[in-house]
Amino acid sequence: QKEVEQDPGPLSVPEGAIVSLNCTYSNSAFQYFMWYRQYSRKGPELLMYTYSSGNKEDGRFTAQVDKSSKYISLFIRDSQPSDSATYLCAMSANTGNQFYFGTGTSLTVIP
Amino acid sequence: DTGVSQDPRHKITKRGQNVTFRCDPISEHNRLYWYRQTLGQGPEFLTYFQNEAQLEKSRLLSDRFSAERPKGSFSTLEIQRTEQGDSAMYLCASSPGVSFGELFFGEGSRLTVL
Repeated sequence: QKEVEQDPGPLSVPEGAIVSLNCTYSNSAFQYFMWYRQYSRKGPELLMYTYSSGNKEDGRFTAQVDKSSKYISLFIRDSQPSDSATYLCAMSANTGNQFYFGTGTSLTVIP
Repeated sequence: DTGVSQDPRHKITKRGQNVTFRCDPISEHNRLYWYRQTLGQGPEFLTYFQNEAQLEKSRLLSDRFSAERPKGSFSTLEIQRTEQGDSAMYLCASSPGVSFGELFFGEGSRLTVL
């Protein structure tokens, strides 16, 4: 079983839709959770960083962590064509030494 | 530009040749990571430095791979006797080390082994 599971999609939505992206994980020691956006042939760009459980909001993006279910989500409100990219979740335990990534979900926002 | 810088951005080489990638982290970030990413996959951890000390290596990092971070600043990743399976994007990331999150990635070095 992989440490982090993420549905690869692809996911296609109309402009203005609310997008929900999710990851599950198996290691209960994970406490640090991140979401990255990656455009084709570019490096991942950090979008959201959360510690432990709870919600965090930044503009159109909301990250949620449910440690009891080992489940994290990223919501994108009022999605734009420029949001079309691959979204990666990443997480680590207390040591912070190694970050485990999901495979990424490919998102297309149709104008 | 104060982000993570990687060089070269793309390297094409023949099987059996050696290649070296360089990473310049964000200034004053004391943690530096190397990851490898293949098409359709998430980044896979290779190795990690705290200042100049290499603290962790993945078993993915065979003896053909070596990484250094002299003086705790830039880092190099060398692959000896390249194989076609080494073709991938090699990503460098740095972290301030104050918190355990917030990895900041460079644009990556894409390796193509013919």
